[in-house]
Amino acid sequence: ETGVTQSPTHLIKTRGQQVTLRCSSQSGHNTVSWYQQALGQGPQFIFQYYREEENGRGNFPPRFSGLQFPNYSSELNVNALELDDSALYLCASSRTSGGAIYEQFFGPGTRLTVL
Amino acid sequence: AQSVSQHNHHVILSEAASLELGCNYSYGGTVNLFWYVQYPGQHLQLLLKYFSGDPLVKGIKGFEAEFIKSKFSFNLRKPSVQWSDTAEYFCAVTVTGGGNKLTFGTGTQLKVEL
Repeated sequence: ETGVTQSPTHLIKTRGQQVTLRCSSQSGHNTVSWYQQALGQGPQFIFQYYREEENGRGNFPPRFSGLQFPNYSSELNVNALELDDSALYLCASSRTSGGAIYEQFFGPGTRLTVL
Repeated sequence: AQSVSQHNHHVILSEAASLELGCNYSYGGTVNLFWYVQYPGQHLQLLLKYFSGDPLVKGIKGFEAEFIKSKFSFNLRKPSVQWSDTAEYFCAVTVTGGGNKLTFGTGTQLKVEL
């Protein structure tokens, strides 16, 4: 257990719908990163949030958006769902301080199925 | 942009056999290297990491990895695997100055047979 929690565990949506996934970071961490893991692939970086602002983004379209709250928890929102959005969505929390790199701790993920 | 290659997608070993999983990255600058493991039904966990210093790093559960800068490699090793090592293993990299963004390889599924 890492102390990073995600909800919901599983979710089924249909094409065109919108979805919100939630993540609570580990105590003492101020940075949240989101990753998409398609079946048989490694996780792919979606974006990172630090101090409630987006702090880096991967190769994902604007319909993937996020938020970070003052308590460092975060949401991932996906609009206009497509079949290819079916994947495991992972949240990772870490500490950012003075540019130093700290390891990321992953949550259990949310399994999204788009029909 | 950096990328990570894991050459072995599926590996099957008998208990007590030695393990070496390959990982190569492509990036010309300074990197930080990681191996993560995902046991069946569990979340991604960090096995070991390399930031700087001794290129031979030791992690949890008897795993170690060696950073060879000239080969852009960070191979994972274990002298004697156990059935409980059955899992998927991911190599990942962050680049200095690139934010704490992990770039993962496609993973290696390891099955250890009794």
